[in-house]
Amino acid sequence: EDQVTQSPEALRLQEGESSSLNCSYTVSGLRGLFWYRQDPGKGPEFLFTLYSAGEEKEKERLKATLTKKESFLHITAPKPEDSATYLCAVPNTGFQKLVFGTGTRLLVSP
Amino acid sequence: DAGVIQSPRHEVTEMGQEVTLRCKPISGHNSLFWYRQTMMRGLELLIYFNNNVPIDDSGMPEDRFSAKMPNASFSTLKIQPSEPRDSAVYFCASSSGLAPNFGNEQFFGPGTRLTVL
Repeated sequence: EDQVTQSPEALRLQEGESSSLNCSYTVSGLRGLFWYRQDPGKGPEFLFTLYSAGEEKEKERLKATLTKKESFLHITAPKPEDSATYLCAVPNTGFQKLVFGTGTRLLVSP
Repeated sequence: DAGVIQSPRHEVTEMGQEVTLRCKPISGHNSLFWYRQTMMRGLELLIYFNNNVPIDDSGMPEDRFSAKMPNASFSTLKIQPSEPRDSAVYFCASSSGLAPNFGNEQFFGPGTRLTVL
């Protein structure tokens, strides 16, 4: 069964303390991996799409990387406004739907 | 563009009542998706439409759930009769591109928080 697993479930950082979030997946023939950010009471907001192993994308303090079986979201010198739940998703093997992980809840304290 | 619009934002109803959730996708987008989000199961796809036609409704949990898209700018998700286990946040999302369309980013609405008592 296609699965997306995110770790850790929750992460608490001090402002400026860099870290990484992990997303591992078990689908055949990856056709893209998506990262979303979700703030409380809001819908997920698109961040990145990665399509092939070795690909990297950056946006402000965030950098997403992709290998054959997992993706990392690196957060460099985070600020309190980076606090959110970060979701990753991949199309399932049959390319019939997006399968989402349950997310990593990030809290950055000043 | 105002983004994806959903209404109502909050709905509280009693078990057995009919509930209708509404969505207006981003203009020009040809795919529309309905998701349900719970703490236990995360985000789950219920149904998606391409060019107003339902493509895959395998995620719809029961016959009590139905969805329509009468035109490119409006869709509804109906639950009849509602049950307490239907309590969740329901999101509508839209995207553009060719079908099947899971290679492009999806733009989500703010969601409808449904509570069934």
